[in-house]
Amino acid sequence: EAQVTQNPRYLITVTGKKLTVTCSQNMNHEYMSWYRQDPGLGLRQIYYSMNVEVTDKGDVPEGYKVSRKEKRNFPLILESPSPNQTSLYFCASSFSLTTTDTQYFGPGTRLTVL
Amino acid sequence: AQSVSQHNHHVILSEAASLELGCNYSYGGTVNLFWYVQYPGQHLQLLLKYFSGDPLVKGIKGFEAEFIKSKFSFNLRKPSVQWSDTAEYFCAVNEAYKLSFGAGTTVTVRA
Repeated sequence: EAQVTQNPRYLITVTGKKLTVTCSQNMNHEYMSWYRQDPGLGLRQIYYSMNVEVTDKGDVPEGYKVSRKEKRNFPLILESPSPNQTSLYFCASSFSLTTTDTQYFGPGTRLTVL
Repeated sequence: AQSVSQHNHHVILSEAASLELGCNYSYGGTVNLFWYVQYPGQHLQLLLKYFSGDPLVKGIKGFEAEFIKSKFSFNLRKPSVQWSDTAEYFCAVNEAYKLSFGAGTTVTVRA
């Protein structure tokens, strides 16, 4: 089944404790991205990747890192999480964003930083 | 970055009523336009998208949207809603490699 998976689905952590949220897709998609969803703000793009080893900042990259060492995986790293990073995070992928391809979203990761 | 505005934060209506959700974007160049839906507890799914050609786009579940270039708008419509249309709806605009979303409109359909 074609899908985007994220782990963990729920995470409660404390300020400053490094964490990684994994994202994996099995559709051989070139493009992957991370969004955070906050009430009243919709989805805001954190980082995106157009292919392996090619990443770029979205609209809200501060406090986040990403890597794309393999085509299927695109982990989101919070080196020193802070309470303002409490949010719902979505990973998405598409074959290519420069065409009009549909983005496929993962199930979301709800992160709480205390 | 693109600015995407959705006019209504929360819409409440009864089954069989008609629905129209507004979306405006700021960029004047070539864009691709999308409407996504997020049902309670689920991830986002594509409802419909516009690339070029006929400005009236039909999507899944009886939804349609009209692209009006002169008004920078891409409004979503459904003639007769059902209880199962209760969800959050997001307009999105794709410019090059970036996808910008509106703040979303929560639609509550009462049986």
